[in-house]
Amino acid sequence: ETGVTQTPRHLVMGMTNKKSLKCEQHLGHNAMYWYKQSAKKPLELMFVYSLEERVENNSVPSRFSPECPNSSHLFLHLHTLQPEDSALYLCASSQAGRNEQFFGPGTRLTVL
Amino acid sequence: AQSVTQPDIHITVSEGASLELRCNYSYGATPYLFWYVQSPGQGLQLLLKYFSGDTLVQGIKGFEAEFKRSQSSFNLRKPSVHWSDAAEYFCAIILTGGGNKLTFGTGTQLKVEL
Repeated sequence: ETGVTQTPRHLVMGMTNKKSLKCEQHLGHNAMYWYKQSAKKPLELMFVYSLEERVENNSVPSRFSPECPNSSHLFLHLHTLQPEDSALYLCASSQAGRNEQFFGPGTRLTVL
Repeated sequence: AQSVTQPDIHITVSEGASLELRCNYSYGATPYLFWYVQSPGQGLQLLLKYFSGDTLVQGIKGFEAEFKRSQSSFNLRKPSVHWSDAAEYFCAIILTGGGNKLTFGTGTQLKVEL
């Protein structure tokens, strides 16, 4: 595997389910990001981890819970989501202190 | 707060024609500037970036962009569009000294007619 990978690519869940999104980067980076991409809206930065420490949390509801166990892996734990949370969730990575971010293919999430 | 404006939501061009996608930013200083492309069902791929220096930057896939400080613009251009360029294009900025927080425009959807 090369670059940034995300699993699953598609996810359908009910509002009472608990699921997790996974991101893995194979670029030797030490910063990772979660973005939300909704139709007709700009990409929204959700969380930033740098050197495995969360450094940014853009007022994201607590039903989204990130986890960064090491510099190569990033998770987004989901529980009791709402239909408006349906979106494409993108993971990205970069080298801390450098500005180029590399994106994964995203997870298309549908909340019923 | 800083913002990024892409005034064209949709653009249609014929294959072989030239292309210019507009991007304007609102910020007091010069930010770091980026163009990304997103093909259907895919993540974002970096086309090019501007940090400082020569205001005309070359990117991948034959794209270039010109930074114009006086107009707060960073327009993306390609002399001859190929059908495979059909995708959504995003302009983004990072404030200098603002860490790695990317602020994106709303995107321009490019359609290429054969």
